[in-house]
Amino acid sequence: EAGVVQSPRYKIIEKKQPVAFWCNPISGHNTLYWYLQNLGQGPELLIRYENEEAVDDSQLPKDRFSAERLKGVDSTLKIQPAELGDSAVYLCASSLVNRAGNQPQHFGDGTRLSIL
Amino acid sequence: GEDVEQSLFLSVREGDSSVINCTYTDSSSTYLYWYKQEPGAGLQLLTYIFSNMDMKQDQRLTVLLNKKDKHLSLRIADTQTGDSAIYFCAEILRDDKIIFGKGTRLHILP
Repeated sequence: EAGVVQSPRYKIIEKKQPVAFWCNPISGHNTLYWYLQNLGQGPELLIRYENEEAVDDSQLPKDRFSAERLKGVDSTLKIQPAELGDSAVYLCASSLVNRAGNQPQHFGDGTRLSIL
Repeated sequence: GEDVEQSLFLSVREGDSSVINCTYTDSSSTYLYWYKQEPGAGLQLLTYIFSNMDMKQDQRLTVLLNKKDKHLSLRIADTQTGDSAIYFCAEILRDDKIIFGKGTRLHILP
């Protein structure tokens, strides 16, 4: 079974530039998560999708961050414009949520973003 | 508010047992997870335990849950160099929100 795939693995941009990250979840997983991980910290949820609906985006800085999951499968996370403080690892995870309960989240390898 | 706490570092000699501890504050958690993160990689699910269980064993891994004290531990038997990583404790709350600790960096001494 293929895992969660993210691209790119690394991205270096200058501040004020836009940047986008892509995530392909595990096949059959209806729930997709984007996390931010700063150095020495655990992941912090940015947004959670159930199918194509964003069910929790309370921690997403909506002035500069946006996300979409148009067909309920792949997802993109965008930052425009990027700021120095956005340097971090952006992790995508997916899981299957149904009436039987929530299955564990499986993570991709992340995109490491560096802002110059 | 919800919080998950772990010690930041642990050093263990190769072949000994490692015990990584975690405390959490929210008694409504449904599952508690242990994830492993190697350098440059995402989080790998190691094991998890339902909140109505006390213990779970999976090969070299033993998870103990003390619900009264809100304490979770992960024991790795016969620690190997490949176990060197950061280990994250996480709890799933009833609203499906997941709270991660800051991670414990396990260092293996030769």
